[in-house]
Amino acid sequence: GAVVSQHPSRVICKSGTSVKIECRSLDFQATTMFWYRQFPKQSLMLMATSNEGSKATYEQGVEKDKFLINHASLTLSTLTVTSAHPEDSSFYICSAFGQGRHRGAFFGQGTRLTVV
Amino acid sequence: DAKTTQPPSMDCAEGRAANLPCNHSTISGNEYVYWYRQIHSQGPQYIIHGLKNNETNEMASLIITEDRKSSTLILPHATLRDTAVYYCIVRVATGNTPLVFGKGTRLSVIA
Repeated sequence: GAVVSQHPSRVICKSGTSVKIECRSLDFQATTMFWYRQFPKQSLMLMATSNEGSKATYEQGVEKDKFLINHASLTLSTLTVTSAHPEDSSFYICSAFGQGRHRGAFFGQGTRLTVV
Repeated sequence: DAKTTQPPSMDCAEGRAANLPCNHSTISGNEYVYWYRQIHSQGPQYIIHGLKNNETNEMASLIITEDRKSSTLILPHATLRDTAVYYCIVRVATGNTPLVFGKGTRLSVIA
């Protein structure tokens, strides 16, 4: 089936640094991708919708200047956590809807971010 | 907000059928019922979806009540690898609206 690939799967960074997470659709084009965040023992919370060639739309309470989203091509969206703090430590997951024979929502493997 | 209600947890003996219920009493006529599962520290995995007819694939069966206000996901022969959080989601089939996750059901398959 269609595959959405996320990289890295795990990252540890120091407070105050920035971290970039990549989300790729491997065998289909995705004009729209979604970014979720998941804290331990909680459900996935939608952070933002990433739109190819235009600005991302953020959910209420999500700081757009802290979580920078770039969707520069039809197969790649990136999420950059800027000036990371320990409270940003979480599991970040991207998703994309396939087209044609790959219809449906597909999810990346997730990225475990730990800020120390 | 999620439009579905699921029990927070369930246990199932290995080899037995796991029946996971979901209430979606406010479902609209053009909304499908989707089921995903999330194994620990992984992204969600698609299982099955349906509109009003019962559906079956290699992973599971989906039974939707005639009034479409509830559904049941059936894993016919649960294995230890089916231990996961199962999410029931209602959504229109077309367009690029995101999936909205509720709290799901944590299924524990016990040997």
